[in-house]
Amino acid sequence: GENVEQHPSTLSVQEGDSAVIKCTYSDSASNYFPWYKQELGKRPQLIIDIRSNVGEKKDQRIAVTLNKTAKHFSLHITETQPEDSAVYFCAARVGNTGNQFYFGTGTSLTVIP
Amino acid sequence: DVKVTQSSRYLVKRTGEKVFLECVQDMDHENMFWYRQDPGLGLRLIYFSYDVKMKEKGDIPEGYSVSREKKERFSLILESASTNQTSMYLCATLSSMNTEAFFGQGTRLTVV
Repeated sequence: GENVEQHPSTLSVQEGDSAVIKCTYSDSASNYFPWYKQELGKRPQLIIDIRSNVGEKKDQRIAVTLNKTAKHFSLHITETQPEDSAVYFCAARVGNTGNQFYFGTGTSLTVIP
Repeated sequence: DVKVTQSSRYLVKRTGEKVFLECVQDMDHENMFWYRQDPGLGLRLIYFSYDVKMKEKGDIPEGYSVSREKKERFSLILESASTNQTSMYLCATLSSMNTEAFFGQGTRLTVV
């Protein structure tokens, strides 16, 4: 099955700096890669996603890049703010059915004011 | 707005008890999932269901069972709770387009 690895497990940045979280996947059939943000005590929520036919997607201060050849994708947060502090999960979906959705182990991001 | 509701935020149960965790969704999604979330291990899939009465094992099904008698409800059952099942449990549903997963608020279960 698919194996999603996520790094780093913890990340601290100064407010205003950029943060990058990286994920790798193993199954070349994976075709959809969402990122979820989980604030303390809350449920994970989708913040951005990318499909395998796209190399980069941007939404305001967050962007995701995908390198299909290397089988890795990354989340980039620019101009970080304290409210960006949360746990971030990457995920990969194999195929078009809902039963193959694999999550990374999470990155705890702390933005220091 | 999709609503995924888990029956309890916090539960404390004794070793050996049978425990039911309920999840209800209001968006007619076919796919429902149960994950457990542990520090350093991320979200691990326990069981999922792609239709009423249909279920499949995830990565860590041992010690758990599930029930999906109605489309909107997916129950996770701990047949005989053990201390190593102390964890945060998250229910999720997947939209009909099979893209965005929606999560419940989580149930923090402590087995003593």
